[in-house]
Amino acid sequence: GENVEQHPSTLSVQEGDSAVIKCTYSDSASNYFPWYKQELGKRPQLIIDIRSNVGEKKDQRIAVTLNKTAKHFSLHITETQPEDSAVYFCAASIDFGNEKLTFGTGTRLTIIP
Amino acid sequence: SAVISQKPSRDICQRGTSLTIQCQVDSQVTMMFWYRQQPGQSLTLIATANQGSEATYESGFVIDKFPISRPNLTFSTLTVSNMSPEDSSIYLCSAVRGGGGGETQYFGPGTRLLVL
Repeated sequence: GENVEQHPSTLSVQEGDSAVIKCTYSDSASNYFPWYKQELGKRPQLIIDIRSNVGEKKDQRIAVTLNKTAKHFSLHITETQPEDSAVYFCAASIDFGNEKLTFGTGTRLTIIP
Repeated sequence: SAVISQKPSRDICQRGTSLTIQCQVDSQVTMMFWYRQQPGQSLTLIATANQGSEATYESGFVIDKFPISRPNLTFSTLTVSNMSPEDSSIYLCSAVRGGGGGETQYFGPGTRLLVL
């Protein structure tokens, strides 16, 4: 089955700086890659996603890039703010129409004021 | 988007007992899933809840331990049977409205279970 690796496990950045989280996946059949943000005690919330026919997608301060050849995708957060502090999970979906998600191990992002 | 609620939000149970968790979506969805999130860990898929038929379980999860029902397109239950302390975890349901590939998956708030 699909395996998703995520790095780093923890990340601390100064407020206003950029943060980058990277994920790799194992199965070239995966075609959908969402990113979720989970604040302490809360449910995971989708923040951005990308499909395999697109190389990059941006939504204000958040962007995701996908390299299908290398089988990795990354989350970029610019101009970080204290409210960006949370755990971020990447995921991959291998079955078109099945929607089963395989999650990465998570990155705890801390923004230092 | 889909609004998803779960009951109970948390519970403390004795080993050997069973707990049924309910998941309610505010509108019809094509797919519903159950995940487990152990403390400080990532989410692991338990099973896909199929409407009107038996759930599809992932490797390492069995129906006898985690029976699932989905009687209609907006409701599902997960039972954690014969609980042990190792079952202490957060259980989350999720739902997808479309099913045509790359559809947003929304999560419920989770049920925090502690087994003594």
